[in-house]
Amino acid sequence: GAGVSQSPSNKVTEKGKDVELRCDPISGHTALYWYRQSLGQGLEFLIYFQGNSAPDKSGLPSDRFSAERTGGSVSTLTIQRTQQEDSAVYLCASSRRLAVGDNEQFFGPGTRLTVL
Amino acid sequence: AQSVTQPDIHITVSEGASLELRCNYSYGATPYLFWYVQSPGQGLQLLLKYFSGDTLVQGIKGFEAEFKRSQSSFNLRKPSVHWSDAAEYFCAVGAGGGGNKLTFGTGTQLKVEL
Repeated sequence: GAGVSQSPSNKVTEKGKDVELRCDPISGHTALYWYRQSLGQGLEFLIYFQGNSAPDKSGLPSDRFSAERTGGSVSTLTIQRTQQEDSAVYLCASSRRLAVGDNEQFFGPGTRLTVL
Repeated sequence: AQSVTQPDIHITVSEGASLELRCNYSYGATPYLFWYVQSPGQGLQLLLKYFSGDTLVQGIKGFEAEFKRSQSSFNLRKPSVHWSDAAEYFCAVGAGGGGNKLTFGTGTQLKVEL
C-alpha cells in the first residue's frame, strides 16, 4: 500500500509569513508524529497524535508552531511568522498504534522548508 | 532527559568488509532502542529495534545490533558491507509510554569504497 506522503516536497517562504505543511499517514495508522531535521539540531521530535487523545506537544519549539489532525487522518503542521531558524526538513511518520511492539514509525519523505 | 551519542560522524569501509557503528544512549528507564537508515532523497527506514528480551537483535538487510546495558550501548553491525549500504545511519532511543517519542543521535554517514 501507499506510504506516508507529505506535501509540498519543497517550500520557500519569506521571513514573517505563515506556512502549512501537510502529512497523509498510512491508511489505518492511528498514531502520527512530526519531527524536524536541521543541520544545527539534528532530528528533533515535535508532536504526536494518537487517536482522539490529546496530542503530546512537548517537542514544539515555540508557540509559533501548531499542529492539528482532522478526522484522525491527515495532519497539518502550521508555522506562524516564520524565522530563518525554522529552515529545516519536516518529517512526518505514522504507526499502527502507540503500544510497544506495534509502534514502528514509518516516515514520509519530508518537506524541505527554506525561510529567506 | 534521554540522549543518544553517535561518536563517528563519518565512516568509510571497503565493500565486503565488516561494519560496526557505535551508539551510546542515556535514559533513566528501560530503553527502547532503534536504528534507522536514510538514503539520499529517501525517508528514514527502520533497520531494527530493541524493546526487551534477547540482547542481540536481527534486522533487515543483514544488520544486527547488540544491547549492552552495562555500557549503555546499542552498536549496529554487519559482517559484509555492500555498496548499496552507503547512507546515513541514525540511532534513536524512545521515551514515553511505548517508546514513541524518539530522540535521535546526530547520525553516522557511511561511505563504501568499491
